[in-house]
Amino acid sequence: GDSVTQMEGPVTLSEEAFLTINCTYTATGYPSLFWYVQYPGEGLQLLLKATKADDKGSNKGFEATYRKETTSFHLEKGSVQVSDSAVYFCALRGGSQGNLIFGKGTKLSVKP
Amino acid sequence: NAGVMQNPRHLVRRRGQEARLRCSPMKGHSHVYWYRQLPEEGLKFMVYLQKENIIDESGMPKERFSAEFPKEGPSILRIQQVVRGDSAAYFCASSPTRAGGQETQYFGPGTRLLVL
Repeated sequence: GDSVTQMEGPVTLSEEAFLTINCTYTATGYPSLFWYVQYPGEGLQLLLKATKADDKGSNKGFEATYRKETTSFHLEKGSVQVSDSAVYFCALRGGSQGNLIFGKGTKLSVKP
Repeated sequence: NAGVMQNPRHLVRRRGQEARLRCSPMKGHSHVYWYRQLPEEGLKFMVYLQKENIIDESGMPKERFSAEFPKEGPSILRIQQVVRGDSAAYFCASSPTRAGGQETQYFGPGTRLLVL
């Protein structure tokens, strides 16, 4: 079945460092891909998405490009801030009814 | 426009009791998804509902769990005779149309269930 694999955390970075969180997927067809962010004690917020190959999603300085040839959707940010500390989830929209399939999440801690 | 509302935010139950979790979708949204997040895990799909209909319950345990989305009022996820393994965060998400299209799912803040 469809699945998402993302790098395990936790990831600890200093402020202004470069961030990459790897995400690869297995799916039939061409699923839509998402990154969600979860701040402590809160629900998930959509960070960015891409719906077809070579699409680049971007938001708040974060970017991810839908790579069909490598079945990947890696999240990047050029300069992280302390406020980016959160858990990041990669997901694809699979299943016959559009339910989301999530990776296990990657916890990011940014130190000042 | 208020977002997805869930209540209670925190719920403590003893083993064998019932837990009722409520989800009010965003205004104008008629599709609701429930997900469960176990500690240190990602979210797992449980059930997809439209008003008065269960569309897909393939992710929901066959026993003790049920869900509804009545014509009026919030969607309810009900867990009977809770066990410690039910302790988790339960999130609902809503979308205006079926999310197999291009619509985004918007998540509520979750209900954190603790079974003692």
